[in-house]
Amino acid sequence: ELKVEQNPLFLSMQEGKNYTIYCDYSTTSDRLYWYRQDPGKSLESLFVLLSNGAVKQEGRLMASLDTKARLSTLHITAAVHDLSATYFCAVRGSNAGNMLTFGGGTRLMVKP
Amino acid sequence: DGGITQSPKYLFRKEGQNVTLSCEQNLNHDAMYWYRQDPGQGLRLIYYSQIVNDFQKGDIAEGYSVSREKKESFPLTVTSAQKNPTAFYLCASSDLRGLYGYTFGSGTRLTVV
Repeated sequence: ELKVEQNPLFLSMQEGKNYTIYCDYSTTSDRLYWYRQDPGKSLESLFVLLSNGAVKQEGRLMASLDTKARLSTLHITAAVHDLSATYFCAVRGSNAGNMLTFGGGTRLMVKP
Repeated sequence: DGGITQSPKYLFRKEGQNVTLSCEQNLNHDAMYWYRQDPGQGLRLIYYSQIVNDFQKGDIAEGYSVSREKKESFPLTVTSAQKNPTAFYLCASSDLRGLYGYTFGSGTRLTVV
């Protein structure tokens, strides 16, 4: 059974600081997705990572995937308050077709 | 514009009442999913469907029912057997290859009154 763990579960950081959110998973996978959820809202797709070594960047967020280590990271550079949200990673197991397993989420709070 | 629409946005249920949440997509996706999210928590899979007229239970199907009579539609009924239905319900869809992950609807917030 595929298990996906994110850490930390909660992150409070100052504006301007850098930090990394980790997503590790228990079985072979070739696809990993990052989503953002604002309070009271739905999930919005951020990144799709489809191969080992894939790196995607959007603004102050950069996501990477290491399939050998079964690990993805979401790096935040020079955080701003607008990045405050909950971030979820989701993994497709190698024999899971289109089914995704979600991590528990990381709640990020960026303080001015 | 293609997308996935959930309605209503807010729903209030009395004790012992069945309610149905609507989910419609025009993305031509074969697969559709229902998730429940409690405050401050992650997503829990209720039901999913990969094809019309077929669906499977997820991790927390008890007290819920679904139908998939049309490709575009996947309504969720919260029955009176669901003792603690107050939550945020999210519908999602994807193609069968899952290349782009899931597209989510805007959610329905259900409250028992």
